[in-house]
Amino acid sequence: AQSVTQPDIHITVSEGASLELRCNYSYGATPYLFWYVQSPGQGLQLLLKYFSGDTLVQGIKGFEAEFKRSQSSFNLRKPSVHWSDAAEYFCAVTGNYQLIWGAGTKLIIKP
Amino acid sequence: NAGVMQNPRHLVRRRGQEARLRCSPMKGHSHVYWYRQLPEEGLKFMVYLQKENIIDESGMPKERFSAEFPKEGPSILRIQQVVRGDSAAYFCASSPTGTSGTGELFFGEGSRLTVL
Repeated sequence: AQSVTQPDIHITVSEGASLELRCNYSYGATPYLFWYVQSPGQGLQLLLKYFSGDTLVQGIKGFEAEFKRSQSSFNLRKPSVHWSDAAEYFCAVTGNYQLIWGAGTKLIIKP
Repeated sequence: NAGVMQNPRHLVRRRGQEARLRCSPMKGHSHVYWYRQLPEEGLKFMVYLQKENIIDESGMPKERFSAEFPKEGPSILRIQQVVRGDSAAYFCASSPTGTSGTGELFFGEGSRLTVL
């Protein structure tokens, strides 16, 4: 079955520290992979996406993600977080229009 | 260029009433998707529509829920005889094309339904 797992429900990091949010997927074919961010009370904004090619993808707001086919992972990283990065982050996979979403990881920033 | 517009942002209904949620896609987008987000959960696909057509409603509950995207006007998600379990955030997204999922989905800010 197709699925996306984000194993961390909450992650707390200090401002200025590095960040890695984990995403593992199960998908029968070559996936298209996405990371979205949802700020409190807001809709979702696309951070980055992977379709093919270079497995290290750069996104907005200084985020990047690396696609590792052997590990079925698409982890999101940022070298130095800012307080404004506090939000919920969703990983999603699709081969068609029907995105399959992870349950999200809530990022908390310590001052 | 306005983004995806959803209204109302917040809606309170009593059990048994009807809820109507509206979504105006981005200009030039003819594909609309509705998702439901329950507390502490990710988004769940509900329905995919193009103008005047339901393409995929495999995520819609079989009863009480319906969606439309008329030739003119916004897409509407309608929930009849609401129950407490319908309390959730309902997100609409649009895209200019709907094939292959290779395009970005643009999301509205959501409509939060609370059923008393």
